[in-house]
Amino acid sequence: ILNVEQSPQSLHVQEGDSTNFTCSFPSSNFYALHWYRWETAKSPEALFVMTLNGDEKKKGRISATLNTKEGYSYLYIKGSQPEDSATYLCAFGWSTLTFGKGTMLLVSP
Amino acid sequence: IAGITQAPTSQILAAGRRMTLRCTQDMRHNAMYWYRQDLGLGLRLIHYSNTAGTTGKGEVPDGYSVSRANTDDFPLTLASAVPSQTSVYFCASSDSGVLNTEAFFGQGTRLTVV
Repeated sequence: ILNVEQSPQSLHVQEGDSTNFTCSFPSSNFYALHWYRWETAKSPEALFVMTLNGDEKKKGRISATLNTKEGYSYLYIKGSQPEDSATYLCAFGWSTLTFGKGTMLLVSP
Repeated sequence: IAGITQAPTSQILAAGRRMTLRCTQDMRHNAMYWYRQDLGLGLRLIHYSNTAGTTGKGEVPDGYSVSRANTDDFPLTLASAVPSQTSVYFCASSDSGVLNTEAFFGQGTRLTVV
């Protein structure tokens, strides 16, 4: 069983704050690292799929970086908005996707 | 575009009964997956299929079986349900495995075994 760790478990920020989360994964046999956004009562939706060491991806105010040699990825949200409130999942792709337990973000107005 | 559809949306099931959760996708994706979501445990893989005709076991396969007779459908069967199988079940699919393509999720099936 692959070990995918996310931190923090939860986070409460004010509107306008910038924040970041960490995903740690096995650094050997790396294939892909996925980030998903999961809103309450909905299904997870993909944010990024990253495959190369040093990859940086951006979608609006959200960006992610990848370090496969040390086995971590950061997700950044710039200027958080209440609609960013969700659980953010990372998943390590090898033969299948192994998910971390997620970081639950709450953004207060 | 429907994407990926699960049925039923929710179900209350008596322990010992047999139940099949249905999953259909119209994206012609090769790979399909079943996950269960439990509080504090995140999404855990039950079974997967990388292509029609093949299946594999995930992290928590016991008590579940799957089949992949064609590309579109990936049913999950509980042969004899037990209360510990109370969970929210998510089906997902991806184009060519998870190496570089995102997974798309169904809306989930909430199953309660009593």
